Formats: sequence, C-alpha cells, structure tokens
Amino acid sequence: TQLLEQSPQFLSIQEGENLTVYCNSSSVFSSLQWYRQEPGEGPVLLVTVVTGGEVKKLKRLTFQFGDARKDSSLHITAAQPGDTGLYLCAGVRVLTGGGNKLTFGTGTQLKVEL
Amino acid sequence: GAGVSQSPRYKVAKRGQDVALRCDPISGHVSLFWYQQALGQGPEFLTYFQNEAQLDKSGLPSDRFFAERPEGSVSTLKIQRTQQEDSAVYLCASSLVGRSGNTIYFGEGSWLTVV
Repeated sequence: TQLLEQSPQFLSIQEGENLTVYCNSSSVFSSLQWYRQEPGEGPVLLVTVVTGGEVKKLKRLTFQFGDARKDSSLHITAAQPGDTGLYLCAGVRVLTGGGNKLTFGTGTQLKVEL
Repeated sequence: GAGVSQSPRYKVAKRGQDVALRCDPISGHVSLFWYQQALGQGPEFLTYFQNEAQLDKSGLPSDRFFAERPEGSVSTLKIQRTQQEDSAVYLCASSLVGRSGNTIYFGEGSWLTVV
C-alpha cells in the first residue's frame, strides 16, 4: 500500500523544458527523500528534506518540502536527456534500533527527448 | 566493488520452486533492508536487520518469505513455493549505522520471474 502519491505518473518532454513532480502524503514523516532510479539499477539518493518549508537546490534540481511536512515537489529546469529515469519520493521513519524505514511513492517516469 | 552486491541478477523460476536471493552489503554497514519492486512502481519495504537481528519483518507478504543474516553481514531472502505474483525486482540496501540521517545505498536488484 503506497501512502505517498506522486504526480504525474508519466512525463515525456523535450530537452530544455521545465517540469515539476509532486509528492503528496497522507502521513507526516521524520523527513522526506527524493531518489532517481535508472533501468536495471537501484534507486540513488538525490536529497533529504527535514524542515517544513525547506528548499534545497542541486544544480538544475530544486526540492521543496511543504510547511506541514506532508507534501514535496521536485522542479527540474532545462531538462536534459540524462535526466531520464524513475523519480521516487520516500518518507522516512526511524525504526526500532535506529534504522531508517523508507516508504516510497508511486513513482514518476520521466523521459527527456532531444 | 564498494557497493551493495546482489546475486543472482536474474532468476527465472517455475511456479512452486524455491528461490534464494543473496545480498552482500557494503562492508561495515550495520543496517540491511530488503525491498520488493513491481515494474514501474516504487519499492515496498519487506524487512530490516540491524547486524544479525531481524528487527522488523512487517512487510513480508506471506510465510513463504523468509530472510536471514546469521553473521551480521551477508543476507539471504528465501521464497518458498514461488507464485506468479512473486515476480518482481528484489532490492537489498544497507546503511552505515542505525541512525537517522545515514544514507541508504541500494544494490542493483535481483529480477525474479516466476513462470
């Protein structure tokens, strides 16, 4: 059962366009992470946001955490073909013993064409 | 290599067959996780180990699924009497210590197809 809904589910755009991916949760997590996954590989962490209202930038990627810490967005400026992949948000909960349990969103499949 | 290593990368099993999937975490990583990922979906949590102790197995879908990490390093996920709905990518992940803020590193996954 996915507690985090992402939209859109699929996105196909041309190189140079801007895009925004949304992640909405029915629960509050201790933090929220964004991952990117390429075919045949595991997810790779892009960023962690912790504080409500927080904004983080990673080159052309801008991540925002909602004030209520239940929603987040990922904005990509001037998309490039190398940005193609499955983008996943994940809510983080601390487990017994201290490990982090990730609850992943439904995923957004992005394709950037030349 | 320095990353999380999983084997086999691809496994085709006949329905009813038992399978075992292996995970070698990054050396020194205390926490180890197993996730199941259906095609085009986000991974879903299966189970979590801290060293050799299985602290959370709430995500295992049935008693046909069993995971172990007897010496606190290598882990094996075993699926008995496989069924078609078990077809998925099984991802293993590890992190340095069991503390919030530590990055979780994922392996490339084991692709299981049950025919």
